[in-house]
Amino acid sequence: SQTIHQWPATLVQPVGSPLSLECTVEGTSNPNLYWYRQAAGRGLQLLFYSVGIGQISSEVPQNLSASRPQDRQFILSSKKLLLSDSGFYLCAWSPTSYEQYFGPGTRLTVT
Amino acid sequence: KNQVEQSPQSLIILEGKNCTLQCNYTVSPFSNLRWYKQDTGRGPVSLTIMTFSENTKSNGRYTATLDADTKQSSLHITASQLSDSASYICVVSATAAGNKLTFGGGTRVLVKP
Repeated sequence: SQTIHQWPATLVQPVGSPLSLECTVEGTSNPNLYWYRQAAGRGLQLLFYSVGIGQISSEVPQNLSASRPQDRQFILSSKKLLLSDSGFYLCAWSPTSYEQYFGPGTRLTVT
Repeated sequence: KNQVEQSPQSLIILEGKNCTLQCNYTVSPFSNLRWYKQDTGRGPVSLTIMTFSENTKSNGRYTATLDADTKQSSLHITASQLSDSASYICVVSATAAGNKLTFGGGTRVLVKP
């Protein structure tokens, strides 16, 4: 069966520090991968999606970036965090069908 | 612009009672609509998914309906339980590359004993 992992589960970082969030999927190959952000009390906002290794599409302009170094690994990064980057970050994967499966999320607090 | 609107934003119901959540969308071209349940601090979990030709779909005590003509969907929770307390998110997918979704803001449900 397929599983999706996110690391870390929670993170507190000062403004201006770098960020690296990791998402890995097991039990499938060549999935579509997605990064979402959910601000407190708000809906999910799609940040990036990837249909293959090295293929990244950005949905919103921001100081975040994403990379897909391996087929089942998706990384969300920032060189310098802003206060507004605080939120709940969710990774999701999708097979060739239209369902999406979400990871457990990473709670990021920028202080 | 693709949009998904949900109502109400929040509601409180007593354990054992029923409730209905609403979702209106303007996503085009429509591919499918799904309802997710998201517990606080957790990732969303899919409850139902419906394509254009489906009018209703059930998952235990959850029943979703879809009216593709009026672009409306509802999620009915029967005989609510305390564990139903969560946010319920309506998500619509357009027929597009990358399987991108449009999310509603969610309805926060609180079930009280």
